[in-house]
Amino acid sequence: GENVEQHPSTLSVQEGDSAVIKCTYSDSASNYFPWYKQELGKRPQLIIDIRSNVGEKKDQRIAVTLNKTAKHFSLHITETQPEDSAVYFCAAIGNEKLTFGTGTRLTIIP
Amino acid sequence: DVKVTQSSRYLVKRTGEKVFLECVQDMDHENMFWYRQDPGLGLRLIYFSYDVKMKEKGDIPEGYSVSREKKERFSLILESASTNQTSMYLCASSSFEDRGREAFFGQGTRLTVV
Repeated sequence: GENVEQHPSTLSVQEGDSAVIKCTYSDSASNYFPWYKQELGKRPQLIIDIRSNVGEKKDQRIAVTLNKTAKHFSLHITETQPEDSAVYFCAAIGNEKLTFGTGTRLTIIP
Repeated sequence: DVKVTQSSRYLVKRTGEKVFLECVQDMDHENMFWYRQDPGLGLRLIYFSYDVKMKEKGDIPEGYSVSREKKERFSLILESASTNQTSMYLCASSSFEDRGREAFFGQGTRLTVV
């Protein structure tokens, strides 16, 4: 089955700086890679996603890159703000099965 | 406003009890999922279903079963609750690729087994 690894598990970044979270996946049948943000006490919500036929996608301050050959994908957040503090999960979908990474707790230092 | 609703926010059960967690979605989604969330372990998939009466094991199915008799409802069953099943349980639903793949989550059920 699919195995998604995520690093780092915790990340502290000065406000205004950039944050990068990296994931790898194992199943070459996976073709959709979403990222979810979970604020304290709330349910996870989709912030950006990328399909396997695309190498990069951007939405304002967040971007995701995908390297299918290496089975790597990454989340980039620029100009970080206090409201970016949360737990971020990467995920992969193959054959409708949605598998998550173990999460990254991002803390923005004012 | 899309909705995935879990029947309870908090539950306390005794060891050995049979426990039912219910999840209902109103988006006509084909796929439904049950995860448990534990600190440092992320969201681990217990079971998922891509159609009525269909179910697939996830990564940690031991000690759990599921039921999907109607498209909108997916139930997680703990046959004989144990203390190591104390956790936050999250239900999610999504559609097939041609209708978009975003998964929507319920509010979670915090289960404590004593």
